[in-house]
Amino acid sequence: AQKITQTQPGMFVQEKEAVTLDCTYDTSDQSYGLFWYKQPSSGEMIFLIYQGSYDEQNATEGRYSLNFQKARKSANLVISASQLGDSAMYFCAMRGIYNQGGKLIFGQGTELSVKP
Amino acid sequence: GAVVSQHPSRVICKSGTSVKIECRSLDFQATTMFWYRQFPKQSLMLMATSNEGSKATYEQGVEKDKFLINHASLTLSTLTVTSAHPEDSSFYICSALRTGSLYYNEQFFGPGTRLTVL
Repeated sequence: AQKITQTQPGMFVQEKEAVTLDCTYDTSDQSYGLFWYKQPSSGEMIFLIYQGSYDEQNATEGRYSLNFQKARKSANLVISASQLGDSAMYFCAMRGIYNQGGKLIFGQGTELSVKP
Repeated sequence: GAVVSQHPSRVICKSGTSVKIECRSLDFQATTMFWYRQFPKQSLMLMATSNEGSKATYEQGVEKDKFLINHASLTLSTLTVTSAHPEDSSFYICSALRTGSLYYNEQFFGPGTRLTVL
């Protein structure tokens, strides 16, 4: 079975500073994908970044980077130069490529608050 | 980018009535769609996987007769909450998987439907 764990229910960060949101996972699949989504108070799920299990380099998308440590089964999200608009819920998710039919399994989420 | 719509965005109904929520992929075909449920300050919980032309696959603990799913076309899946009760009040989100794609992020989320049962 697959499992995603986010151990930080809430995080605070000062505007313009960097913040790391933790995510660990467990799976028996060899091929899988890891995702981060942002959910503002409006409820929409905004895709941020993706990391494939066979990708050798850490994924980056603008101010977002994913610190992928396969041996430790962690996929932490790093947000650089935080902005007030980054305040939201952040979810880590995993999808097995072959065995799960494409469905995403989500972690518990981390609520990020950016302080001015 | 690919767009998924949900209708209605918000619905309030009386206890005992049925509510239908539509999920549409607007500019791509989706053989597979997913229905999630989310309570305040909690994670998304997968309810069921909807496959075009076949029966939905429900996650353990989800009542099939309570949450009816129909995926009648490659662009439309519907979730009907039958005989709704206050405990069914929640945020329902669908996502659509672009046909032929299990790789990368070819899965797109709708904006969600907030259901309130009085």
